Order: sequence, then structure tokens, then C-alpha cells
Amino acid sequence: SQTIHQWPATLVQPVGSPLSLECTVEGTSNPNLYWYRQAAGRGLQLLFYSIGIDQISSEVPQNLSASRPQDRQFILSSKKLLLSDSGFYLCAWSREPSGANVLTFGAGSRLTVL
Amino acid sequence: LAKTTQPISMDSYEGQEVNITCSHNNIATNDYITWYQQFPSQGPRFIIQGYKTKVTNEVASLFIPADRKSSTLSLPRVSLSDTAVYYCLVGDTNQGGKLIFGQGTELSVKP
Repeated sequence: SQTIHQWPATLVQPVGSPLSLECTVEGTSNPNLYWYRQAAGRGLQLLFYSIGIDQISSEVPQNLSASRPQDRQFILSSKKLLLSDSGFYLCAWSREPSGANVLTFGAGSRLTVL
Repeated sequence: LAKTTQPISMDSYEGQEVNITCSHNNIATNDYITWYQQFPSQGPRFIIQGYKTKVTNEVASLFIPADRKSSTLSLPRVSLSDTAVYYCLVGDTNQGGKLIFGQGTELSVKP
């Protein structure tokens, strides 16, 4: 069966510090991978999605970046965090490019920027 | 891009049937309609998916009219544990994987 791991679960970082959130999927190959952010308890904002190891699309221009160093690994990074980067970050995977796409989410990473 | 519109919130009582409607006027021919449930501090969880007519599983039913411009999630006999945010998501086959959630419907079930 497929599983998705996301870490760290919680993170408290000062403004201006770097960030690295990791996501790994097991039990499947060539998944579509997603990073979403949720602020203030509502609304999932799509940040990045990747349908292949060399294909990452950015949805929101900001100080975050994403990389996919391996087929089943997706990393969200920042060189300098802003207060507005605080939120609940969710990684997800799916198999189909779209259409009948069903997303499976990780447990999430809660980031607090102070 | 198939945008979705749902009521922001709904209230219900235990044991009632709850119907949440989602509008997606510009749904594409190959798009499916998927509903998710999210509890606080957790990732959304798949509930049900459909393309047209009616789909039923052990937790919900999904009604989709012939024009597919809307869909209704039906939760039979809700309990307090069904209090959550419900999202309708329409897959966009023209956007190569991009899946954008709407604001969702916050369902509150009262005793």
C-alpha cells in the first residue's frame, strides 16, 4: 500500500531563517506531488505541483521554492522566512495527471515564524 | 480553470441528512468531481468521487445532474463527528495536474 510521510510535524523559526520541509511517498512510482498551505484554519492554497521529476510548477510567486531530487521526494524550501509564511503546510500525492485525480495528504507540518 | 463555489457554512443536528451543493459551471468534459473532508490540524481526506449521475459509498452519496455544472454531497444521518470542512474539487485535465481547492463548507453538527 502507498504511504506518505511528511516532516517535521511542527517547526518554530525566526524571521529570516531558512526552511526545509520534506515529503516522501512510498509504494508507488512517478506520483504527482503537491504542496499546499493553509492559513487561519481555512482555505488550501496550492503552492507547487509536480507531475515528473523535472517538472515543477509554481502557483504563487513568493519566497518559497520546491525541488524534487528523487521520484518520490518533494521538498519545500525558503532561504529567508517571512512572518506571512506561518501556516499549516500539506504535502499530497496522486497518480493521474488530472481528471480522476484523487489526492492523498500527509499529516501536515505546522510552521510558526516569529 | 474549473472554479468551484460552495456555501461557506452549514448547521445541522445529529441524525439529519445533510446536502452540500457545489457549483462548477465551467467543468471540462474529462473532469471528475471529488469531495474531501478535513478536520482541524489534519490533511483533507477523500470522501467520494463521481463523473455523472449518482455515486454511493459507505459514507456518502454524490448526485451530479446531466449538465454536470453542479454536484451535491449527501451525508445521511450525520453525527457530531461529521463536524468538519468539506471541499468540492474539480480536476482540470487541461492544466496538467493543477488542482485548486475552493473555500470549502464548514459543517457544524449539533446535538
